[in-house]
Amino acid sequence: GAVVSQHPSRVICKSGTSVKIECRSLDFQATTMFWYRQFPKQSLMLMATSNEGSKATYEQGVEKDKFLINHASLTLSTLTVTSAHPEDSSFYICSASGVAGTDTQYFGPGTRLTVL
Amino acid sequence: KQEVTQIPAALSVPEGENLVLNCSFTDSAIYNLQWFRQDPGKGLTSLLLIQSSQREQTSGRLNASLDKSSGRSTLYIAASQPGDSATYLCAGVQGGSEKLVFGKGTKLTVNP
Repeated sequence: GAVVSQHPSRVICKSGTSVKIECRSLDFQATTMFWYRQFPKQSLMLMATSNEGSKATYEQGVEKDKFLINHASLTLSTLTVTSAHPEDSSFYICSASGVAGTDTQYFGPGTRLTVL
Repeated sequence: KQEVTQIPAALSVPEGENLVLNCSFTDSAIYNLQWFRQDPGKGLTSLLLIQSSQREQTSGRLNASLDKSSGRSTLYIAASQPGDSATYLCAGVQGGSEKLVFGKGTKLTVNP
């Protein structure tokens, strides 16, 4: 149980285009979803926290107009990287919490974004 | 602000060896601490979760300890195997927050 999926697993795009990444909780209702970014040899860094039906809370230094987060249902959150640039190339991982009786985060497999 | 440090950054051992990975955190007001495994290009697999009221957790060949007073956690791997090769991350949740703060990880290589 407590499986989280992400789609796509890998995406390559041209500079200036927008990319949408989906995060789904497959067998539980995720009241909260988190988006992380990991640059090579660096820690996972939290980008934003989203609760279903409300606006996401962004961490300091993360541009909310560039990284659009939508958490429209209890099983789906999307991250859209708008006008992507090469410096946005990274590994994006989502996690979800909401399994009854626990605040444990369950992580998706990640999405490798490469912006040319 | 919570900061998590992991030492060493990389570790290479022969198969069968017992080993210890270290994690330190700056703020002792930690709600829980979690150890993860990350394979190259993959997501995270949760290994062990230690609540602030606990001192250790065990799962198979893995044992994790937590010492809040010294700001340290260790992950002990017994009888290491080549399949244990991965990057091991520790992450702490600050009391009163849902946010996980990660260390940079220790890349473990177990040589056959």
